[in-house]
Amino acid sequence: ETGVTQSPTHLIKTRGQQVTLRCSSQSGHNTVSWYQQALGQGPQFIFQYYREEENGRGNFPPRFSGLQFPNYSSELNVNALELDDSALYLCASSSGTRTMNTEAFFGQGTRLTVV
Amino acid sequence: DQQVKQNSPSLSVQEGRISILNCDYTNSMFDYFLWYKKYPAEGPTFLISISSIKDKNEDGRFTVFLNKSAKHLSLHIVPSQPGDSAVYFCAASVPTQGGKLIFGQGTELSVKP
Repeated sequence: ETGVTQSPTHLIKTRGQQVTLRCSSQSGHNTVSWYQQALGQGPQFIFQYYREEENGRGNFPPRFSGLQFPNYSSELNVNALELDDSALYLCASSSGTRTMNTEAFFGQGTRLTVV
Repeated sequence: DQQVKQNSPSLSVQEGRISILNCDYTNSMFDYFLWYKKYPAEGPTFLISISSIKDKNEDGRFTVFLNKSAKHLSLHIVPSQPGDSAVYFCAASVPTQGGKLIFGQGTELSVKP
């Protein structure tokens, strides 16, 4: 068991709405990364947080934002939802420094459907 | 620009035989490679990894081979079992960039009894 938990597991939102996804990191891990997995594709890196600060960002627009809390849990916020945002959102936790990290352990994901 | 590629979307193997999953990459800055297994409705599960200073890493039935000159790695599963049926993702990282992972598209392995 990885110890990374995500909520909710499934979510349906309407285009234009805002959504917040949550992730609880594995105990002892100080780094959280978020990935978007579209159907039939591999996960795509959204951004990473290390000790509450953003530590790298993928090719996603600013309406994708995040937070990491002192207990290293994390949120992913998406504003102005678009149909193409429908995907599985994965949270992964790891431990290390700003530049070096151990293997990432993933949560079960949140399936977001935008209608 | 797909920096990590898994060119076979699916693979079917008989139980007890060897499964070989392949992965190619283009970025020579990658120095750490990982394989993840994913079942439906679950997140990816870490399977095995290899550093670029090695050419082989073995863990039980799973062995990963790295050919840096060809920018190619492969995962061997011997013997294959029906429970190995899943989607396998190859991923690469540049650890100095915080361990951000670049994934391939995945290969769906089906092991038939």
